Amino acid sequence: KTQVEQSPQSLVVRQGENCVLQCNYSVTPDNHLRWFKQDTGKGLVSLTVLVDQKDKTSNGRYSATLDKDAKHSTLHITATLLDDTATYICVVGDRGSALGRLHFGAGTQLIVIP
Amino acid sequence: EAAVTQSPRNKVTVTGGNVTLSCRQTNSHNYMYWYRQDTGHGLRLIHYSYGAGNLQIGDVPDGYKATRTTQEDFFLLLELASPSQTSLYFCASSDVTGAGEQYFGPGTRLTVL
Repeated sequence: KTQVEQSPQSLVVRQGENCVLQCNYSVTPDNHLRWFKQDTGKGLVSLTVLVDQKDKTSNGRYSATLDKDAKHSTLHITATLLDDTATYICVVGDRGSALGRLHFGAGTQLIVIP
Repeated sequence: EAAVTQSPRNKVTVTGGNVTLSCRQTNSHNYMYWYRQDTGHGLRLIHYSYGAGNLQIGDVPDGYKATRTTQEDFFLLLELASPSQTSLYFCASSDVTGAGEQYFGPGTRLTVL
């Protein structure tokens, strides 16, 4: 059973617009949640990690929230650029060390058009 | 910055073929992982290791073997490749104290005809 669900599956926005990506999960325990960016055919690059029960992070034009009570996270991208075209993957870790397992969402494919 | 490299980057083989995918990390990480990524699925763990000579079974191990020869090198072996193993394979590494963060290689695209 899929434990990390991402929505939408795909999204097309115009350059300069803002967008929001959603992640819902059922992983227990949920130690932390990380968002990755994956360019087509490339590896995963970490954007941000959220740890606290209700957490917020900001990394340039990327900001994220986590609500562990709702088991829900959002990734906001502000003023999108063409280079933001990628797949964004939500990953939930069940422990705070390498002894834990990571649970991967299938990703949201974001396409930014001129 | 953690560095994980994979080779080859692309591989085409035939059904029944023998394939070895290589991964090297140069950051003295204890843990290394092999994942496969398929459309519509999140990354799925095949095998992992917490040190040279150690091997642990992941969630989708059938049809795969792995070997960790040194702390740096982790290999994934497909001894009788099948079309269902056509996928994008990622290697990752992590430090046991790294709060669960894994560093990913660039991936190997394998096609089994």
